[in-house]
Amino acid sequence: AQSVSQHNHHVILSEAASLELGCNYSYGGTVNLFWYVQYPGQHLQLLLKYFSGDPLVKGIKGFEAEFIKSKFSFNLRKPSVQWSDTAEYFCAVNIVNAGNNRKLIWGLGTSLAVNP
Amino acid sequence: GAGVSQSPSNKVTEKGKDVELRCDPISGHTALYWYRQRLGQGLEFLIYFQGNSAPDKSGLPSDRFSAERTGESVSTLTIQRTQQEDSAVYLCASSLFQASYEQYFGPGTRLTVT
Repeated sequence: AQSVSQHNHHVILSEAASLELGCNYSYGGTVNLFWYVQYPGQHLQLLLKYFSGDPLVKGIKGFEAEFIKSKFSFNLRKPSVQWSDTAEYFCAVNIVNAGNNRKLIWGLGTSLAVNP
Repeated sequence: GAGVSQSPSNKVTEKGKDVELRCDPISGHTALYWYRQRLGQGLEFLIYFQGNSAPDKSGLPSDRFSAERTGESVSTLTIQRTQQEDSAVYLCASSLFQASYEQYFGPGTRLTVT
């Protein structure tokens, strides 16, 4: 069955440290890829997405992610985190199933805590 | 414009009772999703409505769970004979057409079964 794996469940960093959150998926066909973020007490919201073209995509708040098809990965990065980046981060993959009825497959999320 | 709204925001119910959760998607969004998020865990897909197509119910955990959607508007998720393991935040999201488009999430309904 298709799945999305986020390798880091809990990450603790100090401000200005670099961030990379891993995301791997198991599907050999065409995918669209997403990172969503949930700040404390707020709704889930889209951070960035990849549909096609340049595999390095840039999102809000200085985040970027690189799609590496050969590795089935879509890792999230930020060169210098801030305290305000403390949040839960979810990777999601859009897979076309047999009925062309697309739905998202979600990772379990990574909790990021940034210490000031 | 208005975002996705859900009601109630919190619901405490006794084990064995039925509950109904409501979702109002963004106007014009044809796709609607229900998810369950248990404490400290990721999103668990429950059901997906897309226009007039048959809903994808593959994520519903048991026959106690059901959902309906009226056209391309309001959706209700019903849990019958609630159990303590049903306690979770139930999230609704909508998107313009289908999963390849950004999903907009509501604030969720926190369900506690005592």
